[in-house]
Amino acid sequence: EPEVTQTPSHQVTQMGQEVILRCVPISNHLYFYWYRQILGQKVEFLVSFYNNEISEKSEIFDDQFSVERPDGSNFTLKIRSTKLEDSAMYFCASLGRTTSTDTQYFGPGTRLTVL
Amino acid sequence: AQSVTQLDSHVSVSEGTPVLLRCNYSSSYSPSLFWYVQHPNKGLQLLLKYTSAATLVKGINGFEAEFKKSETSFHLTKPSAHMSDAAEYFCVVTPHSGNTPLVFGKGTRLSVIA
Repeated sequence: EPEVTQTPSHQVTQMGQEVILRCVPISNHLYFYWYRQILGQKVEFLVSFYNNEISEKSEIFDDQFSVERPDGSNFTLKIRSTKLEDSAMYFCASLGRTTSTDTQYFGPGTRLTVL
Repeated sequence: AQSVTQLDSHVSVSEGTPVLLRCNYSSSYSPSLFWYVQHPNKGLQLLLKYTSAATLVKGINGFEAEFKKSETSFHLTKPSAHMSDAAEYFCVVTPHSGNTPLVFGKGTRLSVIA
């Protein structure tokens, strides 16, 4: 069964450093998402991406964040200058079609720890 | 706007007894509703979904949920809990169609006692 994959599974970085989180969505999917889950809190939407541009973003997704699909398969989330409060589990998701019967499929997540 | 309220942050049941995880939603549209499960150190796995077809939805691992519009509820049930059901469960809502973000509840941690 096709699945969303994410790398790395765990990233540790120093405050102020740039990080890139990588996702490989399901191959025929067209819509891509990033969510995050701070420890002990609910999963929160960050950004959605379709046709090589951002469709929607939340208030969390400020100028420190960016997304791109550099090669038609990978979907990346970059945090330019990490802060302590960026420590969270980051989930990538992909969606094939925007019909009522389709579902976002999630990757296993990348745990980001900012020291 | 959509929102989800999971009424219990923690539910504890004995193995072999029924499970009930409660969820109420608020939506301006006819919503799609989902339950996702997250096992420790694992990603989010879809348990089941409601998308305006049958109001009683059956999912994986013996779970089911009933959409009740009059009560704006989508409670998750299972007749008999198994040790492997211990996990975090998230109720999720999204508008009926379109490329829209999922809105998660805060989650309910299910503990299963032997």
